[in-house]
Amino acid sequence: ETVMTQSPATLSVSPGERATLSCRASQSVSSNLAWYQQKPGQSPRLLIYGASTRATGIPARFSGSGSGTEFTLTINSLQSEDFAVYYCQQYDNWPLCSFGQGTKLEIK
Amino acid sequence: EVQLVESGGGLIQPGGSLRLSCAASGFAVSRSYMSWVRQAPGKGLEWVSLIYSGGDTYYADSMKGRFTISRDESKNTLYLQMNSLSPEDTAMYYCAKLGSTRTMDYWGRGTLVTVSS
Repeated sequence: ETVMTQSPATLSVSPGERATLSCRASQSVSSNLAWYQQKPGQSPRLLIYGASTRATGIPARFSGSGSGTEFTLTINSLQSEDFAVYYCQQYDNWPLCSFGQGTKLEIK
Repeated sequence: EVQLVESGGGLIQPGGSLRLSCAASGFAVSRSYMSWVRQAPGKGLEWVSLIYSGGDTYYADSMKGRFTISRDESKNTLYLQMNSLSPEDTAMYYCAKLGSTRTMDYWGRGTLVTVSS
């Protein structure tokens, strides 16, 4: 089983600044990595797939990078609506998949 | 427009059974890859199960043998039959439609399952 570890657990950033979230896989998942955003009381929303491709309708301030075991989600010029919990998900051994424990992005 | 609406959650005693439904619109469940994902209160996401368009099914190890994913083409609905429930199964259960990228492109709003005596 591939274990996904996200860091930090909580990230405090000011609006307009940049946020950098990390995700590490216990073994290589190639580029089979997705990022989801979840706001309180809402279901998750797909942001990034293939480690770096934005899903339909996702603003350009969201970008993903990495391959193998180390991945990063970067959010530039943070907007108020970006403060949420972010999850990475590996699907390298699809149809099985696993999620990280999440990073809460909060307003500083 | 793709829509997913879950139902069937509620309060159930330990050892009991429950069947969740996910009514779909805007696409055919039978021609799609569909998953169930759960989220315990205040916790992260946990993948539960997946059904291929061809009908093959897959489960997370902790649910194997207790949960069964299925679908009804005539009702365009996805199901999750859950047996031998324990308090650890308490969670919001989401259904999701997978896209060609193998990621969960559309999610329902979830249905809450509470296992307690």
